[in-house]
Amino acid sequence: GEDVEQSLFLSVREGDSSVINCTYTDSSSTYLYWYKQEPGAGLQLLTYIFSNMDMKQDQRLTVLLNKKDKHLSLRIADTQTGDSAIYFCAEKPGSNTGKLIFGQGTTLQVKP
Amino acid sequence: DADVTQTPRNRITKTGKRIMLECSQTKGHDRMYWYRQDPGLGLRLIYYSFDVKDINKGEISDGYSVSRQAQAKFSLSLESAIPNQTALYFCATSDSAYEQYFGPGTRLTVT
Repeated sequence: GEDVEQSLFLSVREGDSSVINCTYTDSSSTYLYWYKQEPGAGLQLLTYIFSNMDMKQDQRLTVLLNKKDKHLSLRIADTQTGDSAIYFCAEKPGSNTGKLIFGQGTTLQVKP
Repeated sequence: DADVTQTPRNRITKTGKRIMLECSQTKGHDRMYWYRQDPGLGLRLIYYSFDVKDINKGEISDGYSVSRQAQAKFSLSLESAIPNQTALYFCATSDSAYEQYFGPGTRLTVT
């Protein structure tokens, strides 16, 4: 089946690194995503990784993919108060529907 | 101008009323989606459409219907609203590539 799991809450201090974790079940996933939702706003694509990659870095963001364990993580370096938001992990299954399967979302709280 | 717009942004309605949520996009994408977001549950797919003549149920379509009036417009209807349909509703579009583009959401409250 298709399922994506995330922890619901993470609190860090400004300047620290944040690591948000995600597990998924569909081994045929083609792409995996991280979306950010700020209060009162829609979802914004932060980054994505193709399933044949292990790592992707984009400025302060590092995505690690362990395909064997079906584990995805998002590391935010030098976390700022503006990073406070809900972060959703999502997978795109191998079927051609184009639909995404989302995790529950992790609320990141950044304390000054 | 936003690429994906949703109207209304907020709506309060009573149990049993019919309500329509509208979505428009200027990205020229063929694929459009409706999701609902509930706290602690993430986003769940209600319906999706590959083109005007191709509409498919998602994982939670009961109690909802949709209409794809044109490539750019995809509407979600609640024929008889009930309180557990209180949620944040998102429309999204995509081409055949990797990214989905989301609208700003409609907050619906059913009393």
